[in-house]
Amino acid sequence: GENVEQHPSTLSVQEGDSAVIKCTYSDSASNYFPWYKQELGKRPQLIIDIRSNVGEKKDQRIAVTLNKTAKHFSLHITETQPEDSAVYFCAADRLNGNQFYFGTGTSLTVIP
Amino acid sequence: KAGVTQTPRYLIKTRGQQVTLSCSPISGHRSVSWYQQTPGQGLQFLFEYFSETQRNKGNFPGRFSGRQFSNSRSEMNVSTLELGDSALYLCASRAAVMGDEQFFGPGTRLTVL
Repeated sequence: GENVEQHPSTLSVQEGDSAVIKCTYSDSASNYFPWYKQELGKRPQLIIDIRSNVGEKKDQRIAVTLNKTAKHFSLHITETQPEDSAVYFCAADRLNGNQFYFGTGTSLTVIP
Repeated sequence: KAGVTQTPRYLIKTRGQQVTLSCSPISGHRSVSWYQQTPGQGLQFLFEYFSETQRNKGNFPGRFSGRQFSNSRSEMNVSTLELGDSALYLCASRAAVMGDEQFFGPGTRLTVL
């Protein structure tokens, strides 16, 4: 089955700096890659996603890149703010699958 | 459109008891997935239901079961509770077409004493 690895597990950055979280996947049939943000005590919420026919997608300060050949995708947050502090999860959705495979999460702390 | 709802939000049980959790998906969503979340363990997939059929199951013991009703509402049941079952149980719904966004409910916090 699919295996999603996520790094780093924890990340601390100064406010205003950039943060990068990386994920790799094993199944070349995966074609949808969402990123979720989970604030303390709250539900995971989708912040950005990318499909396999696109290499990069950007939404204001957040961007995701996908390298299908290398089977990895990354989340980039620029100009980080304290409210970006949360746990971020990547996931992969297999073609014809019915299960999201989640990474183990990255705890991001933005230091004011 | 109302979001995914879960009841109850908090639950305290003792070892050996059983528990039933409920999830109401977004209207029109036919797929419901369940996850267990514990500190440091991320989101562990339990099972996924679509049109009242379980399509996929994660690596959990048979004490964990679920079902889905014709209105897409889903329940999960855990029998013979163990201390290690203490966790946040999240359900998520999606329209069911692959590549659809998955929306999470607020979760049920289960504590087993």
